[in-house]
Amino acid sequence: DADVTQTPRNRITKTGKRIMLECSQTKGHDRMYWYRQDPGLGLRLIYYSFDVKDINKGEISDGYSVSRQAQAKFSLSLESAIPNQTALYFCAASDRGYRELFFGEGSRLTVL
Amino acid sequence: AQSVTQLDSQVPVFEEAPVELRCNYSSSVSVYLFWYVQYPNQGLQLLLKYLSGSTLVKGINGFEAEFNKSQTSFHLRKPSVHISDTAEYFCAVSEIQGAQKLVFGQGTRLTINP
Repeated sequence: DADVTQTPRNRITKTGKRIMLECSQTKGHDRMYWYRQDPGLGLRLIYYSFDVKDINKGEISDGYSVSRQAQAKFSLSLESAIPNQTALYFCAASDRGYRELFFGEGSRLTVL
Repeated sequence: AQSVTQLDSQVPVFEEAPVELRCNYSSSVSVYLFWYVQYPNQGLQLLLKYLSGSTLVKGINGFEAEFNKSQTSFHLRKPSVHISDTAEYFCAVSEIQGAQKLVFGQGTRLTINP
C-alpha cells in the first residue's frame, strides 16, 4: 500500500477557478510537504508543515495556500488558478530526523 | 541557503556501459546528500543517501555515489546500466541543522539505448 496518496492524479481546469489538491499519509509521519515539478527546474518547495499547528512557506508560496487538517492530511489550494501554475505537484512526508522524504505519485494540474 | 547543480540535463548511454551523473552543491553549513529517481509517470523514490561515515555510499539497483567534501560534489555512478534504468535522477541536499527541507537540483534524464 502506498504510504502517501494524492488526489486527484490529473486535473484540467480554467483560469480563475479554485483548485484543491489533497494528500494523505498512512504511516504517522510528523512532517508533510508540497513540491512543484517543472521541466528543467527540478522540484521546488511550496509549503511544509512540521505538525498540525506549524505551517511554513517554501520558496514559491505565492498564489498557493495549504491546510493541515490532521496529522495525516495536508491539502494544497490554488485560490484563483493561472496558466503558469500548470505543473506536476508532489506531496511528501517524513519523520523528524530521519532525513528521507516519502513521495506520493503526483498530481498533474493543467490550467487553461 | 544551500543550492544544487546537476551538470548534465540529459545523458544518453548504451546498455551495459558505465554511467556517471554529476552533482555539485553549495552550502555554508554541513549537509546531508541524496539521490532520488523518478521512473516515467511515477513519484520519486530514494536511491541512496549520505548522512555521515564512509564517503562511498551504495544504493539500490547497483548505484553508488561518492561524497567529496573538498569539491562539494556527490556524483552518482553505475558500472553497467540496463534499459530499466531509464529515468530522471535528482540530486538533493539538506542542511544537517535546522529545518528538514530538501533542495533539489534540476534533474538529469538518463536514457539507455540498446
